[in-house]
Amino acid sequence: AQSVTQLGSHVSVSEGALVLLRCNYSSSVPPYLFWYVQYPNQGLQLLLKYTSAATLVKGINGFEAEFKKSETSFHLTKPSAHMSDAAEYFCAVSDRSSARQLTFGSGTQLTVLP
Amino acid sequence: DAGVIQSPRHEVTEMGQEVTLRCKPISGHNSLFWYRQTMMRGLELLIYFNNNVPIDDSGMPEDRFSAKMPNASFSTLKIQPSEPRDSAVYFCASSLNAGGSYGEQYFGPGTRLTVT
Repeated sequence: AQSVTQLGSHVSVSEGALVLLRCNYSSSVPPYLFWYVQYPNQGLQLLLKYTSAATLVKGINGFEAEFKKSETSFHLTKPSAHMSDAAEYFCAVSDRSSARQLTFGSGTQLTVLP
Repeated sequence: DAGVIQSPRHEVTEMGQEVTLRCKPISGHNSLFWYRQTMMRGLELLIYFNNNVPIDDSGMPEDRFSAKMPNASFSTLKIQPSEPRDSAVYFCASSLNAGGSYGEQYFGPGTRLTVT
């Protein structure tokens, strides 16, 4: 069984400040990990994915995430927040089986303050 | 490239009516997923198909919900009869489930269903 925990359902940062969204996973096998972003009234959009090729993964819009096996974490960061980054962010883990289902975290709502 | 297409984008119906939501996955993808999103319950997986075959429908809330995938390019989610508690945003997502793929799913824009 696999699971994802996102710490903090709401995170607020000032424009230009560091964005850090936390994700911890539980998996009995080496996982594939994903971050998605959802803007208001839109579907989920893939930000980045970890597939075991490199522990530091770069995604779209200046986001990146680092896979840390020892901490079972996959936190999402961005050095400088923009107003346009305000959205809900979901961490997800794939079970690597033939089914390839994703287990999603409960989401973190990011607010960017001017 | 066209992404996942869902229709209608908005649906308002009265309790007891039948509702049909439609999805066209990305061409070449062989897995399709239906999700429901609400404020209270978050994102829930309802059912998924692999190569047009339903693999797991354990997330379907009750017998009022049914889903079909008659071919690789079309799927429907039907609610009959609809109830106010079915009000939610319904997402369809597709992915390529094959050797070398990692399971990333691509989501449609969603159908916002309101049952009065």
